Amino acid sequence: DAGITQSPRYKITETGRQVTLMCHQTWSHSYMFWYRQDLGHGLRLIYYSAAADITDKGEVPDGYVVSRSKTENFPLTLESATRSQTSVYFCASRISGGATDTQYFGPGTRLTVL
Amino acid sequence: LAKTTQPISMDSYEGQEVNITCSHNNIATNDYITWYQQFPSQGPRFIIQGYKTKVTNEVASLFIPADRKSSTLSLPRVSLSDTAVYYCPGSGNTGKLIFGQGTTLQVKP
Repeated sequence: DAGITQSPRYKITETGRQVTLMCHQTWSHSYMFWYRQDLGHGLRLIYYSAAADITDKGEVPDGYVVSRSKTENFPLTLESATRSQTSVYFCASRISGGATDTQYFGPGTRLTVL
Repeated sequence: LAKTTQPISMDSYEGQEVNITCSHNNIATNDYITWYQQFPSQGPRFIIQGYKTKVTNEVASLFIPADRKSSTLSLPRVSLSDTAVYYCPGSGNTGKLIFGQGTTLQVKP
């Protein structure tokens, strides 16, 4: 049982390139989330999804695009990467939006934009 | 959206009890209070959750006063391996959690 996985784990790209970070969960959780983590800012929510084909913006959505055609996958795309998007990206999932539902995180993707 | 406030950092020594307090000024009636722990190079993980009074598990205790405007995570007799970032995320009515900077706990020998 793999749980929640992210790929790639490390990525180096150049300014202006398109990059897609993958997230896959095996639990059939309804909710999925993308966060970025930077020194001095902690974990900030980029986008989230309550179900397949339902997505919504978080705190810092600019420059990112998400889709969710299948329940188990929630890719995050940087359409034209910028240096300010250098960060560690975490994907997470929850069984639903219930008050007691635990959120499970993937191992993270460290992205460097040169 | 119910944001929370917690200290940015704390230092402790091995064997001491550590208490980290979180302010939940806008907590909703049906919200539970949940704490997460993040080790370096890993994603956060759940450690404890409660609604009010006291909850204890094998990792920590959680104290929540009657007004639920704050919570205190208590780590008994910390060791070097408890060095981590601790979060008490706020929640919105759409199922999302807002984590913020968390509290970086540094345990010294």
